[in-house]
Amino acid sequence: SQKIEQNSEALNIQEGKTATLTCNYTNYSPAYLQWYRQDPGRGPVFLLLIRENEKEKRKERLKVTFDTTLKQSLFHITASQPADSATYLCALGVNYQLIWGAGTKLIIKP
Amino acid sequence: EPEVTQTPSHQVTQMGQEVILRCVPISNHLYFYWYRQILGQKVEFLVSFYNNEISEKSEIFDDQFSVERPDGSNFTLKIRSTKLEDSAMYFCASSGGASGELFFGEGSRLTVL
Repeated sequence: SQKIEQNSEALNIQEGKTATLTCNYTNYSPAYLQWYRQDPGRGPVFLLLIRENEKEKRKERLKVTFDTTLKQSLFHITASQPADSATYLCALGVNYQLIWGAGTKLIIKP
Repeated sequence: EPEVTQTPSHQVTQMGQEVILRCVPISNHLYFYWYRQILGQKVEFLVSFYNNEISEKSEIFDDQFSVERPDGSNFTLKIRSTKLEDSAMYFCASSGGASGELFFGEGSRLTVL
């Protein structure tokens, strides 16, 4: 069956450390993958897009990797700050449709 | 910065009533979407709209749901006869390209009693 999985439990990280979130999928062949941030009661906000032929993308303190062999994307936030606390969603781009993961709640402790 | 706007921010309705949720996408975008998110659960795709017609819809988007772009700016979601399980946050999103980033509105919270 087709699945997209993100860490279901909240991830607690000390301020200043690197937070790493995972997005695993099975039985999909995404052409691209997107990461979004969602704060409580608000709409998701786009962060990064990575295509199937790209291994890594960076934007300021954010880095995304995409391994189509492992069927996995990793999302890193370096020098994490309490303001980075939110739920992070990955979404697979399949046939121009986005298939969403359930999200991982990230908590950055001061 | 351009943004997607949604109204109302919160609507409470009785079961069986019709509800219309409104969205103003970003003006030069071509692709429009409705998603819903039940409290504490994942974002669920409802429907996508391009070139004045539905391009994709999910199993959730049954005959009770319809979408319209009545003029050049608004994009509406109608739920004909609401059920308790329709209670959720409904997000509108728009995109400039088929595989581009989605810009989401702040959502319309629907509570069906």
